[in-house]
Amino acid sequence: AQKITQTQPGMFVQEKEAVTLDCTYDTSDQSYGLFWYKQPSSGEMIFLIYQGSYDEQNATEGRYSLNFQKARKSANLVISASQLGDSAMYFCAMREGQRNFNKFYFGSGTKLNVKP
Amino acid sequence: EAQVTQNPRYLITVTGKKLTVTCSQNMNHEYMSWYRQDPGLGLRQIYYSMNVEVTDKGDVPEGYKVSRKEKRNFPLILESPSPNQTSLYFCASSLRGGASNSGANVLTFGAGSRLTVL
Repeated sequence: AQKITQTQPGMFVQEKEAVTLDCTYDTSDQSYGLFWYKQPSSGEMIFLIYQGSYDEQNATEGRYSLNFQKARKSANLVISASQLGDSAMYFCAMREGQRNFNKFYFGSGTKLNVKP
Repeated sequence: EAQVTQNPRYLITVTGKKLTVTCSQNMNHEYMSWYRQDPGLGLRQIYYSMNVEVTDKGDVPEGYKVSRKEKRNFPLILESPSPNQTSLYFCASSLRGGASNSGANVLTFGAGSRLTVL
């Protein structure tokens, strides 16, 4: 089974609107971490936001928030007030807690295009 | 500036010619790891290292070797490259490993190395 599933290969959003990028994960561990990274066309990987499995509050970082629904094993990224510079590939990732706690798993990514 | 430095950034080589991609970090991070990125597959972990002289396989280790003789360096070695190793490679590090419920596990990535094997 896929550890991280991102079901939206590509998405469009109008500038200034909010957008949600979906991510579901699969683990039997109680302790794990969830991450979102942005990859612009220049290729670098930029860390956006982190959520620990024991964190009770959803993580927020500026315009980014992580909608963490533990029972559903989903960790959707919400970008508010989209900007043209948000056009990029977005990757959801997980670091597992016990058995493979040094292994990282990434989804296949979602390409976001922000329209003016 | 805190960073992860990879070299070379671009390389075209031929099948069977051994090559090394270097990775160095200046943040005193304990954990380092290598990934390859292929279209439609996202990033897949090749090898990781918890600390000096401690390395282990990720999901796609075949055809690769690593070593961690110093804390700051974690080179990726392709002993006999093949065309299926054509990919974009990333090195990344984090302060420590093992405590997955901590921001200390956030990975800082290098700029990437695009490798083509003919």
